[in-house]
Amino acid sequence: AQKVTQAQTEISVVEKEDVTLDCVYETRDTTYYLFWYKQPPSGELVFLIRRNSFDEQNEISGRYSWNFQKSTSSFNFTITASQVVDSAVYFCALAKVDSNYQLIWGAGTKLIIKP
Amino acid sequence: KAGVTQTPRYLIKTRGQQVTLSCSPISGHRSVSWYQQTPGQGLQFLFEYFSETQRNKGNFPGRFSGRQFSNSRSEMNVSTLELGDSALYLCASSLETSGPSFTDTQYFGPGTRLTVL
Repeated sequence: AQKVTQAQTEISVVEKEDVTLDCVYETRDTTYYLFWYKQPPSGELVFLIRRNSFDEQNEISGRYSWNFQKSTSSFNFTITASQVVDSAVYFCALAKVDSNYQLIWGAGTKLIIKP
Repeated sequence: KAGVTQTPRYLIKTRGQQVTLSCSPISGHRSVSWYQQTPGQGLQFLFEYFSETQRNKGNFPGRFSGRQFSNSRSEMNVSTLELGDSALYLCASSLETSGPSFTDTQYFGPGTRLTVL
């Protein structure tokens, strides 16, 4: 069975601190996709990144970076120099290649950035 | 380019009633997916439509149904509402020019918040 675990329910940091959101997944498939989405208070899910199972390169996009490690089945997300606007709920999700968009979602991590 | 729009944004119904939610995808997008989000169950996949056909369905009872029109707009219907149907219903669209693929990003709408009393 496929499963995504985001063990951190809520994280609170002071602005400008770095913060890492953990994501651990379970799947028996060799080909799959991993995603991170951000959900601000407005409710709309915002796509952040997609990574396929064959691409273990870490990625950096501005203050955001992602660390994908198949050996530990983890796909962690780090925000460097956090800002108040980063406050949101962040979701990690997993999908099989042939599952026609049936994403398996983690429970989400609520990130609070204090000024 | 306009994003995914969902109407209405908020809805209050009573148990036993039925409700229809609407989703207009980004222009040119052909795939529409629906998700239910609740505090207890989190985000759960409802179904996905492509070219007016339901291609995939999550584990929800038959009270939950949907359809897609020729212009890719989609509606979902919930009949005989129960208290547990109170949730944020999210719609997502993707371009999908060459068949099912996660290389197409899903873009989400703001959701419809349904409250069942």
